[in-house]
Amino acid sequence: DSGVTQTPKHLITATGQRVTLRCSPRSGDLSVYWYQQSLDQGLQFLIQYYNGEERAKGNILERFSAQQFPDLHSELNLSSLELGDSALYFCASSLGQGNQPQHFGDGTRLSIL
Amino acid sequence: QKEVEQDPGPLSVPEGAIVSLNCTYSNSAFQYFMWYRQYSRKGPELLMYTYSSGNKEDGRFTAQVDKSSKYISLFIRDSQPSDSATYLCAMSDPIKDSSYKLIFGSGTRLLVRP
Repeated sequence: DSGVTQTPKHLITATGQRVTLRCSPRSGDLSVYWYQQSLDQGLQFLIQYYNGEERAKGNILERFSAQQFPDLHSELNLSSLELGDSALYFCASSLGQGNQPQHFGDGTRLSIL
Repeated sequence: QKEVEQDPGPLSVPEGAIVSLNCTYSNSAFQYFMWYRQYSRKGPELLMYTYSSGNKEDGRFTAQVDKSSKYISLFIRDSQPSDSATYLCAMSDPIKDSSYKLIFGSGTRLLVRP
């Protein structure tokens, strides 16, 4: 158990809809990272938050947004969903914002019908 | 060309064998090197975390980094059926202001036969 909690484990929805994925980092970790894992693209970095502030962006679509709350949990919002958004979404956390080990949750499997 | 190349396998070995998993990379800016293990329907689990060239050992696992060749390896000794999983190499890529993102290989599927 990595200590990173993600909910829900599985989400099924339709095209055009909006969903929110939730992540609770390990106790004491201030950084949260979101990744997308698909069969054709592998694990891709989306966005990083550190202590409530956005720190870095990767290949995140404009339809996607995230935030980190004062209690350090984070939410990833996906809107105007398309079939191609079907993937596993992982959250990882680390102690600081620098070069430190990232620990992953078990992900949310998003299925778009 | 991908920044990190990893043979997808699958790699099938008998129980007790020594397993060698490898990744090559092209970006000399990568600073830290990691190996993650991912079981089906689970998140990646950090196995090894290294910085400098050389070897790092942890139990049955040895991580090897050769920065001059841009090549990293993970060796698993006395492999067990429970080691059957996908192994992902990952490298930290500096972004800005002391932030880093991980760049992952595509993963190698390992099957250890009893």
